[in-house]
Amino acid sequence: SAVISQKPSRDICQRGTSLTIQCQVDSQVTMMFWYRQQPGQSLTLIATANQGSEATYESGFVIDKFPISRPNLTFSTLTVSNMSPEDSSIYLCSVEGQGSSYEQYFGPGTRLTVT
Amino acid sequence: AQKVTQAQTEISVVEKEDVTLDCVYETRDTTYYLFWYKQPPSGELVFLIRRNSFDEQNEISGRYSWNFQKSTSSFNFTITASQVVDSAVYFCALARSGNTGKLIFGQGTTLQVKP
Repeated sequence: SAVISQKPSRDICQRGTSLTIQCQVDSQVTMMFWYRQQPGQSLTLIATANQGSEATYESGFVIDKFPISRPNLTFSTLTVSNMSPEDSSIYLCSVEGQGSSYEQYFGPGTRLTVT
Repeated sequence: AQKVTQAQTEISVVEKEDVTLDCVYETRDTTYYLFWYKQPPSGELVFLIRRNSFDEQNEISGRYSWNFQKSTSSFNFTITASQVVDSAVYFCALARSGNTGKLIFGQGTTLQVKP
């Protein structure tokens, strides 16, 4: 199994500012995934982060708005830039189970409110 | 295109009733994976099951059971003898083979179990 931690767990930010969310995994993983869950909505994949290469973004998400770093095999950051109230969401980090594990693990999430 | 539909937005049952949550998916792939997650009010995503497209056997885990039918592209989830602790949002998700970290989620079904 994989244990994922995220920092911060929640934050309230002013519009126009940026917030960097950290994701730490207790084991080395090849790919890390960032998801967004808007209030009352489902989860949507933002991007896939591979160590040593640029993140791959899904349709509707761009690097300028959501820059991602992946400096090593256990850590990644997602920055929400130039925030607006529409960015108020839960942001979740996710990794695949290793070996015979069939789980897709999710972190506890970062609850962001933009005022 | 890949798509997951959970037509039931909200379901309310009385404790000890059985309840089935529907999930219908669309994919042109022959190999794919289906998931169910539980999101209780605390917000974390709890993995319930992953099933690959070649395994159509029904699965039972305690009070939980899953009915996978490729002929109708459905992967329904039944809770037997529901309990108040089962109250949560339940998500069905689809992933392509080779991209099992990139989940496509349905809109979720909110289940309320009343005492």
